[in-house]
Amino acid sequence: DIQMTQSPSSLSASVGDRVTITCRASQSISSYLNWYQQKPGKAPNLLIYAASTLSGVPSRFSGSASGTDFTLTISSLQPEDSATYYCQQSYSTPRTFGQGTKVEIK
Amino acid sequence: QVQLQESGPGLVKPSETLSLTCTVSGGSVSDYHWSWIRQPAGKGLEWIGRLYTSGTISYNPSLKSRVTMSVDTSKNQFSLKLTSVTAADTADYYCARESTSFRYFDSWGQGTLVTVSS
Repeated sequence: DIQMTQSPSSLSASVGDRVTITCRASQSISSYLNWYQQKPGKAPNLLIYAASTLSGVPSRFSGSASGTDFTLTISSLQPEDSATYYCQQSYSTPRTFGQGTKVEIK
Repeated sequence: QVQLQESGPGLVKPSETLSLTCTVSGGSVSDYHWSWIRQPAGKGLEWIGRLYTSGTISYNPSLKSRVTMSVDTSKNQFSLKLTSVTAADTADYYCARESTSFRYFDSWGQGTLVTVSS
């Protein structure tokens, strides 16, 4: 199985801050990396697919890749961005997710 | 806009079989790949398996011996059965659609909580 290691597990930042979440794959997954946002009591919602393609979300979200390292960036944190974020590889089965990063607003 | 809705018992006894159905509306179950994903309370997401109406099915090796997925194209539904459940199987269970291109989960059901308890 491909292991996805996400960091940090949680963070607290102020409105307007730039926030970065990292996800590292245990082997090459090309660009088969997706990001999801999950709010309490809700299903995950697709944010970014193919490492850097936005899925109808605000442009303050962006994704990038470097080898097996992937990054989700929120350029200017907004109150509604308080959520848990997950990366997920779709290179092979079993599909695997990172352990999640909980983003809180100070 | 495709919509997915999970249904099934919210309480299952230990050692029994968990059975869930996902009803697809606004699209055909004959297209795309369809997955089940679960999430224990306060924990991360675990992919259970995926099926396609061509008959292609893939299960998570960690659950493979207990999982069966199937599809009913006449009802536009697909199903999950998990045998010999224990408390560790207590979780929110989601059905989701996987795109055929970069294979991301672009549509999710709202999730259904299944509790394993006597």
